[in-house]
Amino acid sequence: QKEVEQNSGPLSVPEGAIASLNCTYSDRVSQSFFWYRQYSGKSPELIMSIYSNGDKEDGRFTAQLNKASQYVSLLIRDSQPSDSATYLCAVMNYGGSQGNLIFGKGTKLSVKP
Amino acid sequence: EAGVAQSPRYKIIEKRQSVAFWCNPISGHATLYWYQQILGQGPKLLIQFQNNGVVDDSQLPKDRFSAERLKGVDSTLKIQPAKLEDSAVYLCASSLPRKASYEQYFGPGTRLTVT
Repeated sequence: QKEVEQNSGPLSVPEGAIASLNCTYSDRVSQSFFWYRQYSGKSPELIMSIYSNGDKEDGRFTAQLNKASQYVSLLIRDSQPSDSATYLCAVMNYGGSQGNLIFGKGTKLSVKP
Repeated sequence: EAGVAQSPRYKIIEKRQSVAFWCNPISGHATLYWYQQILGQGPKLLIQFQNNGVVDDSQLPKDRFSAERLKGVDSTLKIQPAKLEDSAVYLCASSLPRKASYEQYFGPGTRLTVT
């Protein structure tokens, strides 16, 4: 059973702080990793994708991947109240002819003004 | 660029009734997915299409769920008969063809309540 694990939270950080969201996955052959943001009552929105070990930065977001430890994280710098949402980690492996995404349950982030 | 379109946005039915959801993917996206998201859970893949062919339907409850993608564009997901546990948000997503990008983009979803 391929699994993606996330701490459900809620994770509460003050405005302006760094929020750190973590995710582990069970399938060692996974090759692509994604972070989605989901506001309450809305659909998931892709915010980051990462495919190789190391860091990938996009504005205030940094995704970090460590395939040896089967660990992927998302850092949000200068957190804003508008970042309050559930963050979903998704992992893709290329079994069969196409890749399928497996999602974690999400971590709820609350940024306090 | 227009996003993934879905309709209806909300649906309330009684158990044992049938319901259908419609999805129009982003233009040029050959791969289309249907997900089920139960409250407090991450989305779970139900079925994946590549053009108008089924790639993966291993998690689709085929005794009650069916899906089709005629002409490789729009898709319809049907539930017949519905059960209480089918209450969830049904999300449609699309992506570019394989080897171009595996990034999936979601539509607004259809919130189904079965009473």
